[in-house]
Amino acid sequence: QVQLVESGGGVVQPGNSLRLSCAASGSSFGMHGMHWVRQAPGKGLEWVALIWFDGSKQYYADSVQGRFTISRDNSQNTLYLQMNSLRAEDTAVYYCARLFGDYIDYWGQGTLVTVSP
Amino acid sequence: EIVMTQSPATLSVSPGERATLSCRASQSVSSKLAWYQQKRGQAPRLLIYGASTRATGIPARFSGSGSGTEFTLTINSLQSEDFAVYYCQQYSNWPPYTFGQGTKLEIK
Repeated sequence: QVQLVESGGGVVQPGNSLRLSCAASGSSFGMHGMHWVRQAPGKGLEWVALIWFDGSKQYYADSVQGRFTISRDNSQNTLYLQMNSLRAEDTAVYYCARLFGDYIDYWGQGTLVTVSP
Repeated sequence: EIVMTQSPATLSVSPGERATLSCRASQSVSSKLAWYQQKRGQAPRLLIYGASTRATGIPARFSGSGSGTEFTLTINSLQSEDFAVYYCQQYSNWPPYTFGQGTKLEIK
């Protein structure tokens, strides 16, 4: 059974930075691409970023391009999201999710990021 | 960017009845369409991928259909645990991956 556990969320002031982590169970972490998807309070799902299984390629939503960086450490079974220049509109629950083939099959439980003065 | 539009926004159905949820893509996504269920306070759960293939462990009362731009999620014999928010997502043309805005399925 795949388990994804996010951490690193919290309250941060606008303009500041935060790094999220996602710890994955199992030995197949390095075989799968990984996403970050977020959900603002009371809103729908918004895709944020994708990283290839080996970390060789990254893709971003326009809303975070240039501010967020997705990365991974396959030796530690961990996915990261470095978030810089945070804005109020980045307030959301951030989920990591596994890419299986070309769709998402597993999601973590999420970590809440609140950007507020 | 492909825009995904779900209808209705809210659907009220009685337990034991059938629910039919719709998802439309602004351009063809072939069969690269997934459905997710999200209960309050929980992460989304994969129900359907490839427009019509149930994910592991998903009951047979859930079925998906459609291709191109029009898709349907049907839930037969609604159980109490099925009342939730449902999202469709295309993975044909990315980035970005795009989700519908969700359909809230509520008890009538």
